[in-house]
Amino acid sequence: DVVMTQSPLSLPVTLGQPASISCRSSLSLRYRDGNTYLNWYQQRPGQSPRRLIYRVSNRDSGVPDRFSGSGSGTDFTLKISRVEAEDVGVYYCMQGTHGPGTFGQGTKVEIK
Amino acid sequence: QLQLQESGPGLVKPSETLSLTCIVSGGSIRSTNSYWGWIRQPPGKELEWMGSIEYSGTTHYNPSLKSRVAISIDTSKNQFSLRLSSVTAADTAVYYCARDTGHYDVDYWGQGTLVTVSS
Repeated sequence: DVVMTQSPLSLPVTLGQPASISCRSSLSLRYRDGNTYLNWYQQRPGQSPRRLIYRVSNRDSGVPDRFSGSGSGTDFTLKISRVEAEDVGVYYCMQGTHGPGTFGQGTKVEIK
Repeated sequence: QLQLQESGPGLVKPSETLSLTCIVSGGSIRSTNSYWGWIRQPPGKELEWMGSIEYSGTTHYNPSLKSRVAISIDTSKNQFSLRLSSVTAADTAVYYCARDTGHYDVDYWGQGTLVTVSS
C-alpha cells in the first residue's frame, strides 16, 4: 500500500497566522489519465471528516478561500492563510491513485 | 444534499460477525459514478478504507481485510451493508459509511458509529 506521511503531527498556531501541513507519498500520485488523486480532509472535534480539497488544489463548495492545496508527484501541501478558531481539528491527506486508498496519520491543528 | 446514516450494534463479541447498515437519503444509491463504501478509524489510529460497492453489486475490498469483509447493497431500500467476520479487539473502531466518485474520492461521510469488540 502507498504510505502517506504527514508533518507535523501537531501544529499549534496563533489566530490570524498562517499554517502549513505537508503530506508525502511513497509513490508518485500522478495517474495515467494525467490527474493526481490527492485529497485533504478536515475533521473537527466530534464530527466526521469533511472534504476540503480534491485532486490537489480544487476547493470544495463552501470551503473558505483561506484554504489552498498544492503539490505534485509525491509532495503536497495544505495551507491556511490565516487560521481562525473554527479551523481547529485534525487534517488528513488521502491518496486515491493506487488502490487501496490510504490516509496520512493526521495533523492536529490547535490554537496557541 | 446527500446524507448517510450508519446503524448497528455498538458492541460485538470476539470471533463473532460485525454487521452495520448505511441508509442513504437525499439521493439515489443507483446513481452512476458512485461507490458506496466503509472506512474505519481505530482509537488513536489512522483512517482505513475497507471496501466499497457499486449499485450493480460489484465490490472492491482492501486486500488486508478481503477474507473477512463483505459489502452488500439493497437498491430497493437505498441502503448498503457491511459484514466483518471473526472480529477481535483490533476491530474496535469508529465505522463510517461514505460515498466516493471513483479513485477513492470520498465526498460524503456518515456521522460514524463506534463499534467495540469485547466479551
